Amino acid sequence: DVKVTQSSRYLVKRTGEKVFLECVQDMDHENMFWYRQDPGLGLRLIYFSYDVKMKEKGDIPEGYSVSREKKERFSLILESASTNQTSMYLCASDRNRGRGSYEQYFGPGTRLTVT
Amino acid sequence: AQSVTQLGSHVSVSEGALVLLRCNYSSSVPPYLFWYVQYPNQGLQLLLKYTSAATLVKGINGFEAEFKKSETSFHLTKPSAHMSDAAEYFCAVSVSGGSYIPTFGRGTSLIVHP
Repeated sequence: DVKVTQSSRYLVKRTGEKVFLECVQDMDHENMFWYRQDPGLGLRLIYFSYDVKMKEKGDIPEGYSVSREKKERFSLILESASTNQTSMYLCASDRNRGRGSYEQYFGPGTRLTVT
Repeated sequence: AQSVTQLGSHVSVSEGALVLLRCNYSSSVPPYLFWYVQYPNQGLQLLLKYTSAATLVKGINGFEAEFKKSETSFHLTKPSAHMSDAAEYFCAVSVSGGSYIPTFGRGTSLIVHP
């Protein structure tokens, strides 16, 4: 069974803390993605990576950075957490290469609360 | 750039009734279309996808969707709702070449009443 796992299901952090969210996939997918999900706004793309050490900004990259040192692992970093980053964070992966016909596989999500 | 619109942030049906969740897309090239389902406190999982083969696509749990190019639609249906269908549903569109990253709709919450 294919799997995308995320390091935490729930996380509570204080304003100003540096936060790491980890994602691992076991499908040998080239592409990995980080989204945030907020009520009424759907999924918004933060960053994605199409190869090791490669990254591209998505629609809302401000306040976030990412790291992809190994193909199976993609980390999202909140450099200095703020209350407006309280959200559900979803990691996904897929094997699209110039074609958009393959579906994405999602992790269970991390619900982050910043107080 | 492609886009997708889901009509209705909430849809409420009775158990046993028809489920219809609407999705309209915009794309300048032939699209790939997806429906995902998200159960409470879980990630998204694929329900079905259209990749230019048959226009009527059957998915898991009795759901199906029909690609209608003339109407730029990809509505999701199920003949008889079950309580376990209560979830958030997302429509997504992607294309080949250029930016093949999917664009998601804002989601429709399906509520099923006994």
